[in-house]
Amino acid sequence: AQTVTQSQPEMSVQEAETVTLSCTYDTSENNYYLFWYKQPPSRQMILVIRQEAYKQQNATENRFSVNFQKAAKSFSLKISDSQLGDTAMYFCAFMNPPNFGNEKLTFGTGTRLTIIP
Amino acid sequence: DVKVTQSSRYLVKRTGEKVFLECVQDMDHENMFWYRQDPGLGLRLIYFSYDVKMKEKGDIPEGYSVSREKKERFSLILESASTNQTSMYLCASSFPSSGRRRRNTEAFFGQGTRLTVV
Repeated sequence: AQTVTQSQPEMSVQEAETVTLSCTYDTSENNYYLFWYKQPPSRQMILVIRQEAYKQQNATENRFSVNFQKAAKSFSLKISDSQLGDTAMYFCAFMNPPNFGNEKLTFGTGTRLTIIP
Repeated sequence: DVKVTQSSRYLVKRTGEKVFLECVQDMDHENMFWYRQDPGLGLRLIYFSYDVKMKEKGDIPEGYSVSREKKERFSLILESASTNQTSMYLCASSFPSSGRRRRNTEAFFGQGTRLTVV
């Protein structure tokens, strides 16, 4: 079974600074998907960024980027120019290779990020 | 906009009651999921369904059952609620990752139901 580990339960950073959230995972699969989801105080879970394991290029979405190290099974999220609205719980998640019925996500335990004004 | 709607945001039930948590999605997604979220444990999969009347157990199915009679609706049932089922419950839906209906892999979530069993 796959496991996802987030070793930072809580982090805080000053507004406008850069912060990196770490995530490691364990799998024997070669092709899979990795995600970062954000859960703000409203509780609405929102997809931040997605990485397909067969793609070597790191995914980026505006201020959010990932450092995907496949051999090390590491998938960190970098938030640049952090904003107060980035305050949320961040979950790293793993999905099995594309196949019928394989779309369930395995989540890490989350990192609570606070942006300080 | 994709919408996944959970019937209640907050629910308080008594021990031993039969509890129904309802989830409806409006994007014609094949897959629907029920997760449980607890502090320090992240989200854990209870059950999922990849088609009408189809269901599969997740990682923590004990004490729960599900029903999917229509494609847009996925119900989580606590047969006899217990205090250790006090938690946040999140419903999600997505397209399949393979086959002719294959789309991107994003799962869309409801706003959660915070259930307290007393």
